[in-house]
Amino acid sequence: AQTVTQSQPEMSVQEAETVTLSCTYDTSENNYYLFWYKQPPSRQMILVIRQEAYKQQNATENRFSVNFQKAAKSFSLKISDSQLGDTAMYFCAFMKPNDYKLSFGAGTTVTVRA
Amino acid sequence: DTGVSQDPRHKITKRGQNVTFRCDPISEHNRLYWYRQTLGQGPEFLTYFQNEAQLEKSRLLSDRFSAERPKGSFSTLEIQRTEQGDSAMYLCASSLQMAGGNTIYFGEGSWLTVV
Repeated sequence: AQTVTQSQPEMSVQEAETVTLSCTYDTSENNYYLFWYKQPPSRQMILVIRQEAYKQQNATENRFSVNFQKAAKSFSLKISDSQLGDTAMYFCAFMKPNDYKLSFGAGTTVTVRA
Repeated sequence: DTGVSQDPRHKITKRGQNVTFRCDPISEHNRLYWYRQTLGQGPEFLTYFQNEAQLEKSRLLSDRFSAERPKGSFSTLEIQRTEQGDSAMYLCASSLQMAGGNTIYFGEGSWLTVV
């Protein structure tokens, strides 16, 4: 079974600043997919960004970018120019190729302060 | 595309009662999933459907839990003889099977409180 670890239960950031969330995972697979999901309070979980392990280039989606370090099995998320609407719980998730199940970390609660 | 919808959003029930949750996936998505999420934790996989076939059930899904997806469209998750430990959010998700991995889209969840 794959293990996904998010070591930061909570993070706080000032509006317009940058915050980085850490995620590590354990797998024997060479190819796989990594995801960051955002879950605002009492709202739907939405996909923030996705990374294929065979791609060396780090994925970027507007203010969200990842630092994927395959050898270290690390997949951190950087939120730049933080906005109040970024306040949410963020989950790192792993999926094996040709699979359908996501393995989630415990999540990191991000609070953006005005 | 109206997204994944779940009903009811909140359910409070007495221990021992049966409850049923419904999920309507994104149209044309052939894969449907149920996850369970407790406070402060990430979602845990419960079960998965490819069209109408239930292809995998987690060990978390005891005999009191049953899921169906008749006709490969909407799905129901029934919990019989509820226990306090069943209190959680039940998330439904769907995806379209495709080469290169599939992105999973979640509904807003159904909160269950067993008192």
